[in-house]
Amino acid sequence: GESVGLHLPTLSVQEGDNSIINCAYSNSASDYFIWYKQESGKGPQFIIDIRSNMDKRQGQRVTVLLNKTVKHLSLQIAATQPGDSAVYFCAENIAGGYQKVTFGTGTKLQVIP
Amino acid sequence: GAVVSQHPSRVICKSGTSVKIECRSLDFQATTMFWYRQFPKKSLMLMATSNEGSKATYEQGVEKDKFLINHASLTLSTLTVTSAHPEDSSFYICSASRRERSDTQYFGPGTRLTVL
Repeated sequence: GESVGLHLPTLSVQEGDNSIINCAYSNSASDYFIWYKQESGKGPQFIIDIRSNMDKRQGQRVTVLLNKTVKHLSLQIAATQPGDSAVYFCAENIAGGYQKVTFGTGTKLQVIP
Repeated sequence: GAVVSQHPSRVICKSGTSVKIECRSLDFQATTMFWYRQFPKKSLMLMATSNEGSKATYEQGVEKDKFLINHASLTLSTLTVTSAHPEDSSFYICSASRRERSDTQYFGPGTRLTVL
């Protein structure tokens, strides 16, 4: 399943399928991007990050793709599991005097068993 | 490593009272701590940034006299909501970054504040 970010805040995926969560960022000066997972009633949990000098980075079952030309970020989750159900936020780090992170609006991922 | 705790996890208070929320970095020194507010089904909104030993930098629209932030040590920051109103009810989340990796924030579990 694939989301189009702001226009599809909820993404439903069958267990075992791959998930793709998209995010558009606004500031071309951003040079560091992070994906967070937030379960209900909890704080955000770091998933994976990527710097602007890269276009792809892989973790365990997750891959982040960065397209600086169109200011687009995506998170791919392989073999989605029920425990992946959460809200996923992309965040951009705007270069400056201190590390200020701006969060996107979030996408809710629902995994159907 | 890089664990951040918050206390309390939930608090209910009456209008007009003040509430203090603590944020602690348990296994690292946090040179910078951040306070966020989150409304239901919404994203995190940065309220303020605090560096140890200096005054907090508040985001536009955040009342510094209402949301008092103290970062007295490298492992503790506090947010005090003064003269709380029902509209202050929200989920408050802190995060902390370490000197060695200043671009990564580690988040606390959040504090649910309900003002009656």
